[in-house]
Amino acid sequence: QLQLQESGSGLVKPSQTLSLTCGVSGGSIASGGYSWSWIRQPPGKGLEWIGYIWHSGSAFYSPSLESRVTMSVDISKNQFSLKLTSVTAADTAVYYCARDTYQGWFDPWGQGTLVTVSS
Amino acid sequence: QSVLTQPPSASGTPGQRVTISCSGSSSNIGTNTVKWYQQLPGTAPKLFIYRDDQRPSGVPDRFSGSKSGTSASLAISGLQSEDEADYYCAVWDDSLNGLVFGGGTKLTVL
Repeated sequence: QLQLQESGSGLVKPSQTLSLTCGVSGGSIASGGYSWSWIRQPPGKGLEWIGYIWHSGSAFYSPSLESRVTMSVDISKNQFSLKLTSVTAADTAVYYCARDTYQGWFDPWGQGTLVTVSS
Repeated sequence: QSVLTQPPSASGTPGQRVTISCSGSSSNIGTNTVKWYQQLPGTAPKLFIYRDDQRPSGVPDRFSGSKSGTSASLAISGLQSEDEADYYCAVWDDSLNGLVFGGGTKLTVL
């Protein structure tokens, strides 16, 4: 059974870079056929798609975040990562990783990790 | 302001049938398939409907999805207290070139 687990810093200072990793177990990122996505949810608000990456390393980002987002994949560690630069309080959210079968068919999801942007 | 419009809230009594709508446009719902997610308090969203009307294994058949034109709906029949949750629709938008979510609907079982 495929499982995803987010990890990374829970507190980031304004203007700095948010870094998260999603570890995948019970299956291989390199198996193909799926992309790997990041989604976030500000406290008390709705869901926002951030972007996805293929096992090849090819990535596609939300146009609204594209200038600040970089995703990468590490096949040897069976994990993929998110970096978001120049963060502000508006980037405070629970960040989820998920496997994407096709255009937002997310299953399964990680449990999520809260990242707070504050000095 | 989301590209996809959902009612902020819905409610029903146990055993009732409730419908949650998701209104979009020709560049999203009118062209691509809709997914629905259930989010229980304090937990990650869970896929409940994909390809407009398909249920993953394990999702009760009380839940059904449908689509007509630029609108989609999630229907829940035989409402149960455990169905109380937030529900989100999601679809790819060809104009925005990205995935969009509805604003979410909070379902209350009275």
